Amino acid sequence: EVQLVESGGGLVQPGGSLRLSCAASGFTFSSYAMSWVRQAPGKGLEWVSAISGSGGSTYYADSVKGRFTISRDNSKNTLYLQMNSLRAEDTAVYYCAKVKRDYDTYDAFDIWGQGTMVTVSS
Amino acid sequence: DIQMTQSPSTLSASVGDRVTITCRASQSISSWLAWYQQKPGKAPKLLIYKASSLESGVPSRFSGSGSGTEFTLTISSLQPDDFATYYCQQYNSYSLTFGGGTKVEIK
Repeated sequence: EVQLVESGGGLVQPGGSLRLSCAASGFTFSSYAMSWVRQAPGKGLEWVSAISGSGGSTYYADSVKGRFTISRDNSKNTLYLQMNSLRAEDTAVYYCAKVKRDYDTYDAFDIWGQGTMVTVSS
Repeated sequence: DIQMTQSPSTLSASVGDRVTITCRASQSISSWLAWYQQKPGKAPKLLIYKASSLESGVPSRFSGSGSGTEFTLTISSLQPDDFATYYCQQYNSYSLTFGGGTKVEIK
């Protein structure tokens, strides 16, 4: 079964850091670009960051550029999001998502994790 | 960045109704558009990709159309399980962007 499981969320103070993980199973992880998408409480979906299957190309939303870093370890089938200088407006459920077609940089997301909650508050 | 505008933001409908949701892109995205369904507390679920291709396992009452800047999601006969929030998303280029969502409520 194709599955994504996020972890690492929690409560952090403004200015703090957190690293999210997304464990993948059931597919050839290294063949697929992956993204992080977040959803603030009661709000819509916001794409955060993406990484190619090899890890050689990364992309960020302007709202997180310079503060968040996406990476992946294909030997561990795991995606990461390092979040630094966190702000109250980063409070959200963070989902990892897999693109539908292998070797494609841009595509629809066919598999999503269950999400992990990040709360930035003092 | 490409802006995605969905309408309406809320829609009240009854079981059996035909429902149409519109999504407009601020510039042409060819057919690089997806539709998702999200229920409270759950992750989004892919319904339609490449504007009109039905994802495997999704009921045939869902359909998508459009290209360029105007797109629609149609539910031919609304079922109780369809009451949810629907999002469009463009994947023509980074930054990827979502529409604001359309909540389909029971009338």
